[in-house]
Amino acid sequence: GAVVSQHPSRVICKSGTSVKIECRSLDFQATTMFWYRQFPKQSLMLMATSNEGSKATYEQGVEKDKFLINHASLTLSTLTVTSAHPEDSSFYICSVPTSRKNTEAFFGQGTRLTVV
Amino acid sequence: RKEVEQDPGPFNVPEGATVAFNCTYSNSASQSFFWYRQDCRKEPKLLMSVYSSGNEDGRFTAQLNRASQYISLLIRDSKLSDSATYLCVVNQILSGGYNKLIFGAGTRLAVHP
Repeated sequence: GAVVSQHPSRVICKSGTSVKIECRSLDFQATTMFWYRQFPKQSLMLMATSNEGSKATYEQGVEKDKFLINHASLTLSTLTVTSAHPEDSSFYICSVPTSRKNTEAFFGQGTRLTVV
Repeated sequence: RKEVEQDPGPFNVPEGATVAFNCTYSNSASQSFFWYRQDCRKEPKLLMSVYSSGNEDGRFTAQLNRASQYISLLIRDSKLSDSATYLCVVNQILSGGYNKLIFGAGTRLAVHP
């Protein structure tokens, strides 16, 4: 069964609205979670590292005020896309490393966001 | 130059064929290497880790050449169910001590009857 649950799997929203995506680790505690974005036919690009109890670490070029990350507990991280625009339409996916060295990871099911 | 480069394909092969995918990475400090499989509109799933000595898992064989910064995946006796995108993934240790996975754009495989 899944060890990481991501919700919702699909969302359509209007331009200017905000969308919250949840990522839960089901069987273990996760002090670190990763958020990726994948545009069609492109790589998964790391957006940010979510750290339980502290601020997220954002990759270069990712706006922290637009993509709000909250990691309030050891099993839940949320990504909020604020004031969404059509260019934010993408596949968003979270992952949880299986060890401190992040030598591999479990992925959530992904969220397909469409902004109209 | 991309950190992880793969031929995007698609590779169209008949059932039973042998197909090989290649991948190069740019960071010589990378320590861990993987092949993930991603089906359309789904999350990636680990296919296998790649070790320096080479490793095999059933019909799948992975090779790593650290000197050339090159990784390969060989699939023998292709099945229809092997149709997917295969992602080459490299672990990178960043300043600050945390690690991240760097994904290639993937190579698409289509196996036909």
